[in-house]
Amino acid sequence: TQLLEQSPQFLSIQEGENLTVYCNSSSVFSSLQWYRQEPGEGPVLLVTVVTGGEVKKLKRLTFQFGDARKDSSLHITAAQPGDTGLYLCAGAGETSGSRLTFGEGTQLTVNP
Amino acid sequence: GAGVSQTPSNKVTEKGKYVELRCDPISGHTALYWYRQSLGQGPEFLIYFQGTGAADDSGLPNDRFFAVRPEGSVSTLKIQRTERGDSAMYLCASSSTGGAGELFFGEGSRLTVL
Repeated sequence: TQLLEQSPQFLSIQEGENLTVYCNSSSVFSSLQWYRQEPGEGPVLLVTVVTGGEVKKLKRLTFQFGDARKDSSLHITAAQPGDTGLYLCAGAGETSGSRLTFGEGTQLTVNP
Repeated sequence: GAGVSQTPSNKVTEKGKYVELRCDPISGHTALYWYRQSLGQGPEFLIYFQGTGAADDSGLPNDRFFAVRPEGSVSTLKIQRTERGDSAMYLCASSSTGGAGELFFGEGSRLTVL
């Protein structure tokens, strides 16, 4: 079973601060996705990274896929209250076909 | 509709009862997934359909859980002899490609077993 460990599990910060969320595994993934989930809703895709070492930017969010494709990070610059939510990483394994394995998530709260 | 639709949004049942949860995917999406999510946890894979067939049902926890997609569109997740441990949010997602393509999730069906 491929496991994705996310850290930290909970993060509470003030508006304007920067933060980084980590997603780690001992397994290699063919691709990795980051989702954001708000209460009462399903997760919504933010980004997909495919190539080892890849960096993608989405406004104030920067996503990086590790060189070995075993880990990823999400960095948010100048966090805003609207960034509050559950951030989930999800990996597609090289042998797991279409099954996405999700991490347990990082609950981010940005206080005004 | 434009998105994935799940019904009911909330279901409260008694231990031992039978439950059906319905998912109506985005029109034209051939891939359909069921996940289960407990409070404060990430979604846990249950089953994946490509068209009418279950391509991967390795996440179903036991034989009380079963899912169908008879016409390759709407899917029903069926849970027999419900147990309190089955209480969770059941999420359905669809994708146009399967593989590692983007999953579009519904808002989920929250199941509570008393």
